[in-house]
Amino acid sequence: EPEVTQTPSHQVTQMGQEVILRCVPISNHLYFYWYRQILGQKVEFLVSFYNNEISEKSEIFDDQFSVERPDGSNFTLKIRSTKLEDSAMYFCASGGDEETQYFGPGTRLLVL
Amino acid sequence: AQKVTQAQTEISVVEKEDVTLDCVYETRDTTYYLFWYKQPPSGELVFLIRRNSFDEQNEISGRYSWNFQKSTSSFNFTITASQVVDSAVYFCALSVDSGGSNYKLTFGKGTLLTVNP
Repeated sequence: EPEVTQTPSHQVTQMGQEVILRCVPISNHLYFYWYRQILGQKVEFLVSFYNNEISEKSEIFDDQFSVERPDGSNFTLKIRSTKLEDSAMYFCASGGDEETQYFGPGTRLLVL
Repeated sequence: AQKVTQAQTEISVVEKEDVTLDCVYETRDTTYYLFWYKQPPSGELVFLIRRNSFDEQNEISGRYSWNFQKSTSSFNFTITASQVVDSAVYFCALSVDSGGSNYKLTFGKGTLLTVNP
């Protein structure tokens, strides 16, 4: 059964460093999303991406964040200059129809 | 704006008991979709079920069943004959059809279910 994959599974970085989180969505899906979950809290929407452009972004998704689909298969989230409060689990999700999203296993990011 | 409330923070049951997880949602949209996701201790988010706003028929799928009531804006989820492997955080989520190309999910805070042997 096709699944969403994410790399790396864990990332530790120093404050101020750039990180790139990678996702490979399910191959025939058209809708792509990033969410984050701070430890022990609920899952929060960051950004949605369709037809090679951002559909919507949340207030969390400020100028430090960017997304890209560089080669038609990967979907990346870049944090330009990480802050301590960026420490969280980051989930990529993809959807074939509009409604149901399937999530990757997540990348746990720790900013020191 | 959308909102999802899961009033139960934690539930603990003994194996083989039935357990119902509550979810109340708020939206002004007439077309929307409701979901339940499971997050086991390993951390991934596993899609369980989806319900469309225009279909209030309740169903059973194996040990899972759900009760969708638009009149009370509730979408409750029941696990029958619970098993230890059901121990996880369960999230209720909502997305709306706003006519665009975005169906972002709004999640509740989750309910931690512990099934004891």
